Amino acid sequence: DAGVIQSPRHEVTEMGQEVTLRCKPISGHNSLFWYRQTMMRGLELLIYFNNNVPIDDSGMPEDRFSAKMPNASFSTLKIQPSEPRDSAVYFCASRPGSYNSPLHFGNGTRLTVT
Amino acid sequence: AQTVTQSQPEMSVQEAETVTLSCTYDTSESDYYLFWYKQPPSRQMILVIRQEAYKQQNATENRFSVNFQKAAKSFSLKISDSQLGDAAMYFCAYRSAGSYGKLTFGQGTILTVHP
Repeated sequence: DAGVIQSPRHEVTEMGQEVTLRCKPISGHNSLFWYRQTMMRGLELLIYFNNNVPIDDSGMPEDRFSAKMPNASFSTLKIQPSEPRDSAVYFCASRPGSYNSPLHFGNGTRLTVT
Repeated sequence: AQTVTQSQPEMSVQEAETVTLSCTYDTSESDYYLFWYKQPPSRQMILVIRQEAYKQQNATENRFSVNFQKAAKSFSLKISDSQLGDAAMYFCAYRSAGSYGKLTFGQGTILTVHP
């Protein structure tokens, strides 16, 4: 079991640039989550997919953020255009379909927007 | 909406001693799950222990145990025989039983272990 794999581990970009974060969930997990962690707001859920379909995107901060899950083994979180206040650690997590199963987190992507 | 509160921003413990991290939560639901996650400097979120609200027995995982007080809405984590590798940020988290898996996290407690 390779765990949830996120890339890149670090991303530094300039304001206004497009940023794409990537996630490969654990094989067989049919739920995928994107969380953001900041000092001010802690850990916040951005969006949740079930069977590749976005179910709840109410946590996405604004239209500059978008997420896709084209298949069961890949998801992306895109920010266009990026702003300094988007600087944070972005986590992807996945879990199997049973309700009592816990989330498994990736190692996160640290995004710095200058 | 559910809220999770960790009132201790920082805690410290001597190696081999015992430490307890506090967590309280607010909910009107009767069925839910509670979790403690550990985040070491490597940044990965690691599940330490979980508790189902319908279970009266407190969960234990080796040196980690919880004191779950449902009426008081309290969910503390006890680490026995603390080790240097236990140093990390610890997050308490809540999830509704019927939800798809959305976790509500507390603010976190930084645990320092002194040799």
